[in-house]
Amino acid sequence: AQKVTQAQTEISVVEKEDVTLDCVYETRDTTYYLFWYKQPPSGELVFLIRRNSFDEQNEISGRYSWNFQKSTSSFNFTITASQVVDSAVYFCALSADSGGGADGLTFGKGTHLIIQP
Amino acid sequence: EADIYQTPRYLVIGTGKKITLECSQTMGHDKMYWYQQDPGMELHLIHYSYGVNSTEKGDLSSESTVSRIRTEHFPLTLESARPSHTSQYLCASRWGLAGITDTQYFGPGTRLTVL
Repeated sequence: AQKVTQAQTEISVVEKEDVTLDCVYETRDTTYYLFWYKQPPSGELVFLIRRNSFDEQNEISGRYSWNFQKSTSSFNFTITASQVVDSAVYFCALSADSGGGADGLTFGKGTHLIIQP
Repeated sequence: EADIYQTPRYLVIGTGKKITLECSQTMGHDKMYWYQQDPGMELHLIHYSYGVNSTEKGDLSSESTVSRIRTEHFPLTLESARPSHTSQYLCASRWGLAGITDTQYFGPGTRLTVL
């Protein structure tokens, strides 16, 4: 069985603060992929990043950075110098090949990020 | 960037009506998915398809049905809508040949309200 836990239901920070969204996953597979998606109030899910289980390099894209640590089964997401436009629900998701059954994404429950001006 | 479309974006309908939610993608993706998103945000897989004439039920039981007659089209149907079907429905697609590696791209979603 696979599971993704986003323990932070809601985070509220003031604009320009840094904020980290936590994601912890569980899977028995050795090959798996982790994703982050952003869901703004309009409702669509916007893909942010994909990371495979063999690549533990951290990644930075502008104000966004991701820290993947297999030792703690975590894939945390940090926004530096947050902006009001970053306000959204952020989902962490897992895709693993268990050899059978549906291969859809297993999502965490999401973290609602509120950036106050 | 992905080209995946869903219509309607919003639908308010009475109990007992038959509805079809449309999903189309122009990328030639083999695999398509339907997710249901609760008002409390959690997403659950309800249907998926590996290609034409292939449909399977997902992790969450759903009274809806799907069909896949064309690669680009994956509609979802509710024969008799009920208030418990009120939710957001998100369609996604990805390439099939790469196994689990490829990214799923999502449509804008349909917000369904059944009165």
